[in-house]
Amino acid sequence: NAGVTQTPKFQVLKTGQSMTLQCAQDMNHNSMYWYRQDPGMGLRLIYYSASEGTTDKGEVPNGYNVSRLNKREFSLRLESAAPSQTSVYFCASSGLGTQPQHFGDGTRLSIL
Amino acid sequence: AQTVTQSQPEMSVQEAETVTLSCTYDTSESNYYLFWYKQPPSRQMILVIRQEAYKQQNATENRFSVNFQKAAKSFSLKISDSQLGDTAMYFCAFFSGAQKLVFGQGTRLTINP
Repeated sequence: NAGVTQTPKFQVLKTGQSMTLQCAQDMNHNSMYWYRQDPGMGLRLIYYSASEGTTDKGEVPNGYNVSRLNKREFSLRLESAAPSQTSVYFCASSGLGTQPQHFGDGTRLSIL
Repeated sequence: AQTVTQSQPEMSVQEAETVTLSCTYDTSESNYYLFWYKQPPSRQMILVIRQEAYKQQNATENRFSVNFQKAAKSFSLKISDSQLGDTAMYFCAFFSGAQKLVFGQGTRLTINP
């Protein structure tokens, strides 16, 4: 039962470098999400994709881009990393309607 | 916009005690869903319990139950017979037709032996 798989689990970048975080789910879910979690805070939505071929901004989209490559995969790209993007990033997916979201194990990203 | 507030940043109880975590939310919608997620030190986000707003009956899952007060916009989580493995961050979350899950700030719960 893989569920939601995120790669990599850890990454250190220098300011200005680019990076793509990968996410794949094997539950045939329509919706996929990217969140960031900063210390002492809950998760904040960066972008989401309600279905294959669509993406929408969440609460904190600046500095990020996403691609819904197919139904399984949803990637998050940092074009020019900044120290303020140091965070733990979570990918999630959910089925139709109001089914609960299933989360990956997170990616800890540090920008120096 | 919907907001979720958890007013208890940290809580600590002894093993086997009962503990209640508070959550309030603000919304103008009538149909929505509420969740409690657990995040242990392993960092995984684990669904604990969910409540549909249209259901008057409070949800229960083994030792976990909620007190859902729709008029007061309150959604508290009660953990009975607490165990060491319950030590974690707990997040309250709100979901509506806008397809967005809104999280509270979290409560760090420590179960002491």
